[in-house]
Amino acid sequence: ETGVTQTPRHLVMGMTNKKSLKCEQHLGHNAMYWYKQSAKKPLELMFVYSLEERVENNSVPSRFSPECPNSSHLFLHLHTLQPEDSALYLCASSQVGRIDEQFFGPGTRLTVL
Amino acid sequence: GENVEQHPSTLSVQEGDSAVIKCTYSDSASNYFPWYKQELGKRPQLIIDIRSNVGEKKDQRIAVTLNKTAKHFSLHITETQPEDSAVYFCAASIGSNYQLIWGAGTKLIIKP
Repeated sequence: ETGVTQTPRHLVMGMTNKKSLKCEQHLGHNAMYWYKQSAKKPLELMFVYSLEERVENNSVPSRFSPECPNSSHLFLHLHTLQPEDSALYLCASSQVGRIDEQFFGPGTRLTVL
Repeated sequence: GENVEQHPSTLSVQEGDSAVIKCTYSDSASNYFPWYKQELGKRPQLIIDIRSNVGEKKDQRIAVTLNKTAKHFSLHITETQPEDSAVYFCAASIGSNYQLIWGAGTKLIIKP
């Protein structure tokens, strides 16, 4: 799959586990985003990285920890999550400041038991 | 804070008929309004967008209209087809270069 890829596509974890979500973009973009998508709710922007620096952090609990080692890769590290954190986690990328050209990945379906 | 309200949450139309989804935004400074389509199990994809200096934009069977005074915008799909079945999201820009405010989505069902 080209564009923006995410792994794993599905993840089930217990509340005491530590896991990581991975996103990779093949579009030459330099901004990357993490979103949380819950059923029948608006998309929630969690984190934004621009040129590998975090520029937005929308009051996300510290049990979610992002990492952007380079402009092509983005991680979301998860630890001691709660059942209400179960959702689809979407990664997206764009050129810096080009929210109108945002390209989404297929998402990771996370279930917290 | 800023928000976008989207209606209806579910819309069922007969194949071949038209579908209209409406969104209302609160930030008068919003100037960019995209619409995304998300098929089941797939990524959201941009299908059309409009900027505040334009009142209407069309692309084949889909169109978007914007009323800045009333702060609402709508997605119109004509001659609906089974492949139009999906969840549609509207969004509006705010002051940030990186953030959109999203609607909660409309599940569009096309009945054969």
